[in-house]
Amino acid sequence: EPEVTQTPSHQVTQMGQEVILRCVPISNHLYFYWYRQILGQKVEFLVSFYNNEISEKSEIFDDQFSVERPDGSNFTLKIRSTKLEDSAMYFCASSLTGGATGELFFGEGSRLTVL
Amino acid sequence: AQRVTQPEKLLSVFKGAPVELKCNYSYSGSPELFWYVQYSRQRLQLLLRHISRESIKGFTADLNKGETSFHLKKPFAQEEDSAMYYCALSGPGGYNKLIFGAGTRLAVHP
Repeated sequence: EPEVTQTPSHQVTQMGQEVILRCVPISNHLYFYWYRQILGQKVEFLVSFYNNEISEKSEIFDDQFSVERPDGSNFTLKIRSTKLEDSAMYFCASSLTGGATGELFFGEGSRLTVL
Repeated sequence: AQRVTQPEKLLSVFKGAPVELKCNYSYSGSPELFWYVQYSRQRLQLLLRHISRESIKGFTADLNKGETSFHLKKPFAQEEDSAMYYCALSGPGGYNKLIFGAGTRLAVHP
């Protein structure tokens, strides 16, 4: 069964460093997302991406964050200058349809630790 | 503001007992509601959605607009049901911007 894959599974970085989290969505999916979950808190929406552009983003997704689909398979989240509060589990997801009723398929997550 | 509330962090039951995981929501329009589940060491996955009106693994959930609730129920819990359960609401504008509750950990004891 096709799955969303994420790398790395865990990354430790120093505050101020740039981080890129990578995702390979399910191949025939058209909509891509990043969510994050700070330890002990809710899963929060960051951004959705369709047709090579951001379709929606949350307040969390400020200028320090960017997303890109550099080729036909990868979907990346870049954090330009990491802060301590960026420490979280980051989940990539994809879906075939973009409607409100569609199913999201999640990756296993990338744990980011900022020291 | 759109919000999903799951009042219980942990629900502990014995095998064979009925289970109800509570979910209340706040939403200004017609909501699309989901239950996602995360088993130990596995990824978050869709359990069921209200629009499908389906029963998955014996679980059902009914949308009650009057009480703004979408509680998840199962008449007889199994040990393999032990997991983290998240209620989620699809926010405005489509594109599957899910608003999650804090989650309830269900522990089913033998």
